[in-house]
Amino acid sequence: DGGITQSPKYLFRKEGQNVTLSCEQNLNHDAMYWYRQDPGQGLRLIYYSQIVNDFQKGDIAEGYSVSREKKESFPLTVTSAQKNPTAFYLCAIAPGAGNQPQHFGDGTRLSIL
Amino acid sequence: GQQLNQSPQSMFIQEGEDVSMNCTSSSIFNTWLWYKQEPGEGPVLLIALYKAGELTSNGRLTAQFGITRKDSFLNISASIPSDVGIYFCAGHPVYNTDKLIFGTGTRLQVFP
Repeated sequence: DGGITQSPKYLFRKEGQNVTLSCEQNLNHDAMYWYRQDPGQGLRLIYYSQIVNDFQKGDIAEGYSVSREKKESFPLTVTSAQKNPTAFYLCAIAPGAGNQPQHFGDGTRLSIL
Repeated sequence: GQQLNQSPQSMFIQEGEDVSMNCTSSSIFNTWLWYKQEPGEGPVLLIALYKAGELTSNGRLTAQFGITRKDSFLNISASIPSDVGIYFCAGHPVYNTDKLIFGTGTRLQVFP
C-alpha cells in the first residue's frame, strides 16, 4: 500500500538468531501494528503502538519485541525465544486509535534455515 | 484472541457469476471492514462500514453492516478472473476499539 514500506520482502533466520523486520511509513499516521499470518489462516496481532515511545502487546507477543522511537518507524524483532517463527509478517498503519481502518504493507516472509 | 466467523471458507465459481460471503460475531462491532489479499501481498481495504444498516458499494462490490451490529456481508457481482484472492472481514468490537479483529478468510477462485 502507498506510504508503507516493509523490508526485506524475504528473510531467512538461522536457529538461535534474532532478526529484525522493518516497517516505515510516510503518511504521518499515529498508530502502527504488526501481524503474523500463517498459511490458510487469518491475521493475529503481535504488537501495536498508538504513539511514539509507547506500545502494547497483542494476542501473540511472546518471542517478539518492538520499539517506537520515531513516528515513522516500528521495527519488529523476532527473537530466538520464538520457537515457530516461519510466517508472513504484515505491518499496518492507521491515522489514530479507535475505530480507524488499517492499511497494510506488502509483508515480509520469514523462513528458518 | 477472538476471530470472526467467516463463510464460506472457499468458493469456486465461473466468470460472470455473483458471489456472496458473510461474517458473524457473538459481540457487537463498531465498524466492519472488508479486505482482499492476493498471494504474497498485504491485504487491501475494499470497503469500510461505520453504521448499523449501512450499505456501501465500490464498483461491483457491495457490503452491508448488519442491523444487529454482529454481522456483515460482501457481495461481488459479475465476477471476473482478477477477483481471485482471499477476502477477509474485520471489525472493531465495542469492547476494544483499538484492536481490529479478523475473520478467517474466504478463498475465491474464478474460472473463465
